[in-house]
Amino acid sequence: EPEVTQTPSHQVTQMGQEVILRCVPISNHLYFYWYRQILGQKVEFLVSFYNNEISEKSEIFDDQFSVERPDGSNFTLKIRSTKLEDSAMYFCASSLGLVDEQYFGPGTRLTVT
Amino acid sequence: SQQGEEDPQALSIQEGENATMNCSYKTSINNLQWYRQNSGRGLVHLILIRSNEREKHSGRLRVTLDTSKKSSSLLITASRAADTASYFCATVHTGGFKTIFGAGTRLFVKA
Repeated sequence: EPEVTQTPSHQVTQMGQEVILRCVPISNHLYFYWYRQILGQKVEFLVSFYNNEISEKSEIFDDQFSVERPDGSNFTLKIRSTKLEDSAMYFCASSLGLVDEQYFGPGTRLTVT
Repeated sequence: SQQGEEDPQALSIQEGENATMNCSYKTSINNLQWYRQNSGRGLVHLILIRSNEREKHSGRLRVTLDTSKKSSSLLITASRAADTASYFCATVHTGGFKTIFGAGTRLFVKA
């Protein structure tokens, strides 16, 4: 069964450093998403991406964040200058259509020290 | 309450019993999805119900949707210890892409 994959599973970085989180969505899916979950809190929407552009973003997704689909398979989330409060689990998801099921990857645990 | 709020926050039952979790939301939606998350792990998609559907079944899961009350319920029948997890509802509002998750219900099934 096809699945969403994410790398790395755990990333430790120092405050102020740039990080890139990588995702490979399910191959025929057209909509891509990033979410984060701070430990013990709810899952929060960051951004959705369709047709090579951001379709919607939350207030969390400020200028420090960017997303890219550099080729036909990868979908990346870049945090330009990490802060301590960026420490969280980051999930990538994809769906075939806008109103279809979203399938989530296993997540990347980002720890900012 | 916020969009996609579940209740109860926590539920503890014996194996074999049924578990019911509820979700309420505020705006009109395209669909509502239920997910399971084991501690520290990823989100597993359980079931999606569209705004024009009222009930859906998948194995031991039964989901209802009442758009007039802006609420949904997830019923897990004949629960097992392996069902112990957090359960979240997630909604996509009509015309948007943003998915909003509730805070979840933590289910504990005692063997």
